[in-house]
Amino acid sequence: DTGVSQNPRHKITKRGQNVTFRCDPISEHNRLYWYRQTLGQGPEFLTYFQNEAQLEKSRLLSDRFSAERPKGSFSTLEIQRTEQGDSAMYLCASSAPGGGSGANVLTFGAGSRLTVL
Amino acid sequence: AQSVTQLDSQVPVFEEAPVELRCNYSSSVSVYLFWYVQYPNQGLQLLLKYLSGSTLVESINGFEAEFNKSQTSFHLRKPSVHISDTAEYFCAVTTISGGYNKLIFGAGTRLAVHP
Repeated sequence: DTGVSQNPRHKITKRGQNVTFRCDPISEHNRLYWYRQTLGQGPEFLTYFQNEAQLEKSRLLSDRFSAERPKGSFSTLEIQRTEQGDSAMYLCASSAPGGGSGANVLTFGAGSRLTVL
Repeated sequence: AQSVTQLDSQVPVFEEAPVELRCNYSSSVSVYLFWYVQYPNQGLQLLLKYLSGSTLVESINGFEAEFNKSQTSFHLRKPSVHISDTAEYFCAVTTISGGYNKLIFGAGTRLAVHP
């Protein structure tokens, strides 16, 4: 069990550019979550996948944001035409399938920090 | 909808002193409660959780939290802190339902332990 892996850890980009973040969850976890954390704030929910299905999207996830989990394993979060307000830490988490106590516990990755200049 | 209020944004404390980080939640249904810790430039690590059973839960590094349903609180305590406890602490809540478990986080409390 190597935990939840996120890449890249840091990304600096210019306003208007596109960026993509990748998350590799714990292998046996079928549930995957994306959160955004801005400076001095708690993480805010962005979206949730169960296997390959995206079951919920937050209103925070504007049209410039898209998340995928094509084979129910790794996930990508793409931000198009980045804005300075997109600067934040993007956190990925995963949890075990429903029915057991592990389903209620989210394991987080180290995050991908985005800086938009 | 659920919400979490962490009453203190910063808590300064001297090493070996006791500390309490306060957390109150709001929910119309039964909940699970969590405390996560975040060290600088790192992700969140689960510190402890209340799912069911005893209302007093403990972590391996000496923290404890007590679920108080009547006061809708889940305060985090440690009788004697160390320099290494300096970090950001987040309280989180999720509802008990047949669906998935979306965590709602508080704004965090920064614990600063001074020598």
